[in-house]
Amino acid sequence: QKEVEQNSGPLSVPEGAIASLNCTYSDRVSQSFFWYRQYSGKSPELIMSIYSNGDKEDGRFTAQLNKASQYVSLLIRDSQPSDSATYLCAVGKGTNAGKSTFGDGTTLTVKP
Amino acid sequence: DTEVTQTPKHLVMGMTNKKSLKCEQHMGHRAMYWYKQKAKKPPELMFVYSYEKLSINESVPSRFSPECPNSSLLNLHLHALQPEDSALYLCASSYDQTGRGEKLFFGSGTQLSVL
Repeated sequence: QKEVEQNSGPLSVPEGAIASLNCTYSDRVSQSFFWYRQYSGKSPELIMSIYSNGDKEDGRFTAQLNKASQYVSLLIRDSQPSDSATYLCAVGKGTNAGKSTFGDGTTLTVKP
Repeated sequence: DTEVTQTPKHLVMGMTNKKSLKCEQHMGHRAMYWYKQKAKKPPELMFVYSYEKLSINESVPSRFSPECPNSSLLNLHLHALQPEDSALYLCASSYDQTGRGEKLFFGSGTQLSVL
């Protein structure tokens, strides 16, 4: 079992729809959760971080965390073609080692 | 200034060459990282420097040699690389490694091709 698992996709949604990206993790001591967006040929860019159970909203993005279910998701409302990218889920244990473990990413395509 | 600057953006080298990748940040971050990313794969951690000291080496071959001259700079020295080392090399920084986990700020990367 991978430490961090994501649906590889590709996920395709029409413009204006809600895109839902999911991520599960195996280590219960994980404390920090991140979503990065990576456009083709570019470097990852942090778009959301979440540390506590519940929802966190930032513009069109909402991150949801459920530690009991070891599940974190990213919702993108009013999806735009410019949201087409690979979304990487990263999970950190918050220890002094401090390194995040990345999922394999989900490729999202938003069709006009 | 929330930027991590990497140079060069592209590098082609032969298997006998010696080259260096450079990374710079001026955000006051005390942790800096080197990642390797192959196409359609997630970034793989190579090295972590925390407060200018090497804190994590993910069993990277010795042909990759990191260096942290000061808190703002991170280098990756390359020697006798193999074609399978061709990849996107990403530098990242974070405030520090402790506490609730780090938010990583990535540079634009160096696309390396080994011939």
